Amino acid sequence: DAGVTQSPTHLIKTRGQQVTLRCSPISGHKSVSWYQQVLGQGPQFIFQYYEKEERGRGNFPDRFSARQFPNYSSELNVNALLLGDSALYLCASSSLSAQETQYFGPGTRLLVL
Amino acid sequence: GENVEQHPSTLSVQEGDSAVIKCTYSDSASNYFPWYKQELGKRPQLIIDIRSNVGEKKDQRIAVTLNKTAKHFSLHITETQPEDSAVYFCAASRNSGYALNFGKGTSLLVTP
Repeated sequence: DAGVTQSPTHLIKTRGQQVTLRCSPISGHKSVSWYQQVLGQGPQFIFQYYEKEERGRGNFPDRFSARQFPNYSSELNVNALLLGDSALYLCASSSLSAQETQYFGPGTRLLVL
Repeated sequence: GENVEQHPSTLSVQEGDSAVIKCTYSDSASNYFPWYKQELGKRPQLIIDIRSNVGEKKDQRIAVTLNKTAKHFSLHITETQPEDSAVYFCAASRNSGYALNFGKGTSLLVTP
């Protein structure tokens, strides 16, 4: 079985630009969560989507938005990038029967210059 | 919101020794406590988890204990091997599918 996949693997942007990150969950998983991991820290929760509806939002500004598609894949958008947005962005998926058990993708490493 | 504290931040042990990492949490409604291992440049991998209706869980060389009254849980690795070297994160969450709140991580180094 394929695990959670994310694209792109690496991205370099400049301040003020916009970025879209993509995630495909494990087959059969309907819940997708996004986390930001700054170097040397634990992942911080950004969003959770289940059945295409937002179920939770972390303490991130409105520049961050996300959506989930009918095939349960998801996109994370970040507008007006700041230097501090440089981080590893992780996507995690979970199944209906064990929603708390989250499996992470390899992440997208974003560098904002 | 939930606050998870993790100690120590770094831990160095000799191969074959045991390693213990401890976490405390603040939200008494938290009832799910996973541990993730993250090797350099790789994704966090779930290694063991425990729910609030269980006090201890073991999986080969790894065990997790939970004290709900004191709001702390610990990861125990026995007979450590060099391949156990990684950053370990504890996390806590409420109910099914809610956000995981992570600790800041423990960098474990196992020297041969």
